[in-house]
Amino acid sequence: DTAVSQTPKYLVTQMGNDKSIKCEQNLGHDTMYWYKQDSKKFLKIMFSYNNKELIINETVPNRFSPKSPDKAHLNLHINSLELGDSAVYFCASSQEREGASYNEQFFGPGTRLTVL
Amino acid sequence: QKEVEQNSGPLSVPEGAIASLNCTYSDRVSQSFFWYRQYSGKSPELIMSIYSNGDKEDGRFTAQLNKASQYVSLLIRDSQPSDSATYLCAVNGRLNFGNEKLTFGTGTRLTIIP
Repeated sequence: DTAVSQTPKYLVTQMGNDKSIKCEQNLGHDTMYWYKQDSKKFLKIMFSYNNKELIINETVPNRFSPKSPDKAHLNLHINSLELGDSAVYFCASSQEREGASYNEQFFGPGTRLTVL
Repeated sequence: QKEVEQNSGPLSVPEGAIASLNCTYSDRVSQSFFWYRQYSGKSPELIMSIYSNGDKEDGRFTAQLNKASQYVSLLIRDSQPSDSATYLCAVNGRLNFGNEKLTFGTGTRLTIIP
């Protein structure tokens, strides 16, 4: 299936641990994003990469480090997890289209992170 | 002031009625506006986009944009129980060609009552 996929779907861990979330898209898109959605459903962009180059870094603590090994993958590594990191993390991708007013973003299924 | 504001609801609408969802935004230079639908436990899904003042219709959905008032709305006609979801308003602050930055509102939870 063509889609944006994320692993794992659920992640439960202790404070202070380091964890990674992986994202892959097989849509051939050039741009990928990480969003965080908190318990009140507020969805906020964290990072975006275009062809493996960091474009957006939205004042996210440097405990969060995105890595894009190629344009189909954007992983998120989180060091020293804190209670406030508990949220749903969504990966998304979009493709630049000449003449388009907007490039639709396609979202992955999300990773629910719970920090205990 | 939040960049994109929505009434969090919940908004309850009888089946078959019109559901009206509202959104205001603070950045006057915003050019593109979107409505995403998010079912519980699922990812956001784009249902409408609008760029020009006025109305844009797609099936049972109508998006309305008033840039002077910095206001965008979504009307859902003949509401169905399957329309029950959280609706997220998003505004695009394009950084440069191809690189989008979407700013989302906090969403309005809509419940259609059979």
